[in-house]
Amino acid sequence: DQQVKQNSPSLSVQEGRISILNCDYTNSMFDYFLWYKKYPAEGPTFLISISSIKDKNEDGRFTVFLNKSAKHLSLHIVPSQPGDSAVYFCAAFTSGTYKYIFGTGTRLKVLA
Amino acid sequence: GAVVSQHPSRVICKSGTSVKIECRSLDFQATTMFWYRQFPKQSLMLMATSNEGSKATYEQGVEKDKFLINHASLTLSTLTVTSAHPEDSSFYICSASNPMNTEAFFGQGTRLTVV
Repeated sequence: DQQVKQNSPSLSVQEGRISILNCDYTNSMFDYFLWYKKYPAEGPTFLISISSIKDKNEDGRFTVFLNKSAKHLSLHIVPSQPGDSAVYFCAAFTSGTYKYIFGTGTRLKVLA
Repeated sequence: GAVVSQHPSRVICKSGTSVKIECRSLDFQATTMFWYRQFPKQSLMLMATSNEGSKATYEQGVEKDKFLINHASLTLSTLTVTSAHPEDSSFYICSASNPMNTEAFFGQGTRLTVV
């Protein structure tokens, strides 16, 4: 039972354009969501997070949107840069547990 | 951000031998650490939650006698893959949560190859 899903395994975007990565979840107990970036053979690197009491969080080129009623979150990267090319995982957990549940990842390729 | 160090980064071992992977939180005390496993092109799957000073909590389907976890101090957790088999070959990642932050910090991962 996949509680966190990323339905797009890959995404290609032109440099300078917006990248939108999507994530859906099923467990309504999740109250914290995060996005991680991962290169092959490395551990994930934290990008940005959002708590369930908010619907938007912005940090530089990265913005995360949360739609609780739809159980959906998205990561927007604008403008996209070739260095953003990596696999992006969304993760969710319930406060107090730190027990992350990861999505399956989306491989982003930013074309120069 | 906080630093979590994991080693070795890469290990090759023979079938039937045991391999130990270490995970250290370098600049904060981690009462809880997590161990994940990632198969190629798949998500990170939580294997177990490592609690300092007590037994680890394993996820369903993870053999606790196969994957021994020890969390003897607030800065060190170890995962030992016992009697390794080729199907244990995978990428193993640990993480630790800093009580002062919400996000977890991940180690660099260990690529285990059992031949």
